[in-house]
Amino acid sequence: AQTVTQSQPEMSVQEAETVTLSCTYDTSENNYYLFWYKQPPSRQMILVIRQEAYKQQNATENRFSVNFQKAAKSFSLKISDSQLGDTAMYFCAFCLFGNEKLTFGTGTRLTIIP
Amino acid sequence: DVKVTQSSRYLVKRTGEKVFLECVQDMDHENMFWYRQDPGLGLRLIYFSYDVKMKEKGDIPEGYSVSREKKERFSLILESASTNQTSMYLCASSSGVSRNTEAFFGQGTRLTVV
Repeated sequence: AQTVTQSQPEMSVQEAETVTLSCTYDTSENNYYLFWYKQPPSRQMILVIRQEAYKQQNATENRFSVNFQKAAKSFSLKISDSQLGDTAMYFCAFCLFGNEKLTFGTGTRLTIIP
Repeated sequence: DVKVTQSSRYLVKRTGEKVFLECVQDMDHENMFWYRQDPGLGLRLIYFSYDVKMKEKGDIPEGYSVSREKKERFSLILESASTNQTSMYLCASSSGVSRNTEAFFGQGTRLTVV
């Protein structure tokens, strides 16, 4: 079975600073996908970024980027120039290729301080 | 605008009641999911369905059942509600996470069993 671990239950950072959220996972498979989801106070889960395991290049979406280390099974999210609207729960998730089930980590509550 | 709609945002039920949580998606997605979200535990998969009348157990199916009579609707049933089923319930749908699409989530139902 696959597992996803987020070791930082809570983090806070000043507005405009850069913050990195950690995620590690465990799998014996080679083909899979990794995701970061954001859940703001509205409770609406929003996909932030995804990474295909077969791609060596790290995914980026505007201020959001990942550091994907396949050998280390690590998938961290970097948020640059953080904004108040980034305040949310962030979940790391894993999905095997050909399998639609997402396995989530326990989440990191991120607070951006004005 | 794509949408996954859960019938209630907040629900209070009594111990022993049969509870129905309804989820409707308007994207013609094959796959639908029910997750349970608890603090410190992240999202855990209860059941999922990859086609009408098809279902598979997730990681924590005990005490729950599901129904999918139509493609757009996926119901979660608590046969006899208990206080340990007090939680946030999230519905999701996808056409194929592993086919470079994303899963879309409803806004969640916060269920309290008293």
